[in-house]
Formats: sequence, structure tokens, C-alpha cells
Amino acid sequence: QKEVEQNSGPLSVPEGAIASLNCTYSDRGSQSFFWYRQYSGKSPELIMFIYSNGDKEDGRFTAQLNKASQYVSLLIRDSQPSDSATYLCAVKPGGYNKLIFGAGTRLAVHP
Amino acid sequence: DAGVIQSPRHEVTEMGQEVTLRCKPISGHDYLFWYRQTMMRGLELLIYFNNNVPIDDSGMPEDRFSAKMPNASFSTLKIQPSEPRDSAVYFCASRTGQHQPQHFGDGTRLSIL
Repeated sequence: QKEVEQNSGPLSVPEGAIASLNCTYSDRGSQSFFWYRQYSGKSPELIMFIYSNGDKEDGRFTAQLNKASQYVSLLIRDSQPSDSATYLCAVKPGGYNKLIFGAGTRLAVHP
Repeated sequence: DAGVIQSPRHEVTEMGQEVTLRCKPISGHDYLFWYRQTMMRGLELLIYFNNNVPIDDSGMPEDRFSAKMPNASFSTLKIQPSEPRDSAVYFCASRTGQHQPQHFGDGTRLSIL
């Protein structure tokens, strides 16, 4: 069974700090990796996607992928209270056309 | 560009009634996904379509649930008869291409009394 694991949190960080969100996956053949942000009562919103090993940066967000260790992470620099949300990691296993979602990590950024 | 459009946004109905949820994917997207989200079970994939054809319905809970996609711009998820345990937020998502991101609609919050 394909699995995606995330720490449910809450992860509490002070405003201005770096928030580090982690995700591990079971299928070694996974090809595509996505981070979604979900505010309470709202739908998941795409933040980042990454396909290759290494880092990918977009503004305050950096996605990191390590296929050998089967983990993907999301770093949020200069965290703001508006970043407080649940972050969902999603993985597309090899040979699948659907995503496997983790349960999400709740991030709380306090002033 | 318009995103994924779902209707209704909220639905409250009594147990035993038929419920129909609707979704219009992003134009040009050839994959459409139906999800259900609850606090207990998180985000669950119910069914997905490719080019209007159902590909994987293994997540559909039981025969009370059915989904159709009569054309590239419209899909329905139907529950008949509805039960209180069907109460959840139902999301529709679409994407183009195998490795492209999915984009979600705003969801339908369903309450079965």
C-alpha cells in the first residue's frame, strides 16, 4: 500500500522564523511531489511541486526532495501568522495517475 | 482563468434524500477527481476520470455513491439514499497531463440530518 506520512503537529514557530515541514513516502518509484496549503474551511491550494532531487525555491518557500531517503520537505522562511494553516504533502507513485495525500501538518505561527 | 467550479457550496438535507454534487473542471484539463474530507479520515479519493472515462472508483464507499462525467466540462457525484455518515466536505479537482498539479474547487459542505 502506498503511504505518505506527515507529523500532524501542531508545529508552532514564532513569527519571522523558518518553519520546516517534513513528509516521507513509501513508494520508491514515486515521480511527482506536491505541497498544498489548506486554511480552515477552505480548499487545498497548491504551494509548490517538485520532480527532481534537490531544492526548488519560490519566494519564501523552498521544497526539498531526497529520493534516496524517500522524503520531501517544505521550508517557509520569514514565517508570518498568515502562514498558519494545514500543509498537505501529496505524492504521485510510479505507474499511478492519482495522488496519495498525507494527513497534513498543522502549522501555527505566533506573533 | 476560471478555476474548478463546484455547486452547491452548502447542502443540508435529510437522511434518505438524493444528493447531487456538481463540478466543472478547468477548461482543457483531462483528469477529474472527486475527494471527500472529514476530520477523522482526512482527504480521501473517491473516483477519478480521464477523458470523461472513469478510471478508478475503488474509493467509492458503497453502491449508494455514483459518479458520471457526460462531457469534458461537467461531472456529478450522486448519493442515493444519503445517510448522516456521508456528512463531509466534497472536493472536485482537475489537472492536465500525468505530472501536472491538481487544482481544487472550493468544495461542497454536505450535512445529512
